Amino acid sequence: EPEVTQTPSHQVTQMGQEVILRCVPISNHLYFYWYRQILGQKVEFLVSFYNNEISEKSEIFDDQFSVERPDGSNFTLKIRSTKLEDSAMYFCASNDGSNTEAFFGQGTRLTVV
Amino acid sequence: ELKVEQNPLFLSMQEGKNYTIYCNYSTTSDRLYWYRQDPGKSLESLFVLLSNGAVKQEGRLMASLDTKARLSTLHITAAVHDLSATYFCAVDAGLGTSYGKLTFGQGTILTVHP
Repeated sequence: EPEVTQTPSHQVTQMGQEVILRCVPISNHLYFYWYRQILGQKVEFLVSFYNNEISEKSEIFDDQFSVERPDGSNFTLKIRSTKLEDSAMYFCASNDGSNTEAFFGQGTRLTVV
Repeated sequence: ELKVEQNPLFLSMQEGKNYTIYCNYSTTSDRLYWYRQDPGKSLESLFVLLSNGAVKQEGRLMASLDTKARLSTLHITAAVHDLSATYFCAVDAGLGTSYGKLTFGQGTILTVHP
């Protein structure tokens, strides 16, 4: 069964460093998303991406965040200068646009120290 | 802004008992999803509800959607320990550029004990 895959599963980084979280969406999907879940809290929308551009972003998705689909298969989330409060589980999701569910990856746990 | 509220947030159940988790949302939508999350794990899709009156059942779990009341329920029948997890509802009220954007409830932490 097709699945969304994310790498790495866990990343530890020092405050102020840049990180790139990687996702491979399901191959025929057209819509891509990043969500964040701080430990013990609900899942929050960060950004959606369609047709090679951002279609919507939340207030959380400020200038330190960026997304890219560099090669037609990967979908990346970059955090330019990490802060302690960026520590969270980051989920990638994709959707084929047929009005059915989005499929979530297994997540990347980011720990900023 | 779409708001999604679940209750209860914490649910401690005895094995064999029945209970219902409620999910209210604040704007028109006919696309609602239920997910299960085990500690430190990803979101496991349980139910996809895409129309008013939709009812789906899988094992001891049954989900329903009332779009007029903006309410979904997740009913647990004869709970077993394996159902212990956090349950999230999520609403997709996206149109246009917001298509597919999910707004999640706070989650219900379910603990089933003997």
